[in-house]
Amino acid sequence: GENVEQHPSTLSVQEGDSAVIKCTYSDSASNYFPWYKQELGKRPQLIIDIRSNVGEKKDQRIAVTLNKTAKHFSLHITETQPEDSAVYFCAAVAEGYQKVTFGTGTKLQVIP
Amino acid sequence: DVKVTQSSRYLVKRTGEKVFLECVQDMDHENMFWYRQDPGLGLRLIYFSYDVKMKEKGDIPEGYSVSREKKERFSLILESASTNQTSMYLCASSDPRGGGQETQYFGPGTRLLVL
Repeated sequence: GENVEQHPSTLSVQEGDSAVIKCTYSDSASNYFPWYKQELGKRPQLIIDIRSNVGEKKDQRIAVTLNKTAKHFSLHITETQPEDSAVYFCAAVAEGYQKVTFGTGTKLQVIP
Repeated sequence: DVKVTQSSRYLVKRTGEKVFLECVQDMDHENMFWYRQDPGLGLRLIYFSYDVKMKEKGDIPEGYSVSREKKERFSLILESASTNQTSMYLCASSDPRGGGQETQYFGPGTRLLVL
């Protein structure tokens, strides 16, 4: 089955700096890669996703990149703000399957 | 707006008890999932269902069972609760219609403590 590894497990940045979270996956059939954000005490929510037919996607201060050859994808947050503090999960989904395999999460702390 | 609700936010049970966790979604989603969330281990899939009365094992099904008698409701059952099942349990739903890759909508979670 699919295995998703996520690094780092914790990340502290100064407000205004950039943050990068990296994930690797094992199943070459995976072709959809969502990212979820979970604020303290709240449920995970989708913040951005990317499909295998594109290499990069941006949404304001958030971007995701995908390297299918190397089987890795990354989340980039620029100009970080305190409200970006949360746990971020990457995930991988194979076409035709309903199952989502999540990474182990990254706890991001933005220091004001 | 999708709404996924879970029957309890906090639950305390004793070892050996049978425990029922219920999840209800109001968006006519076909897929429903049960995860457990533990520090450092992320979200691990216990079971999922892609239709009424259908179920599939996830990555950690041991000690759990599920029931989906109606489309909107997905129940997780701990047949005989053990202390290592103390965890946060998250339900999610999604709709595969329209492409095959879909957003997961999560419930608020149930924090279960087994004594």
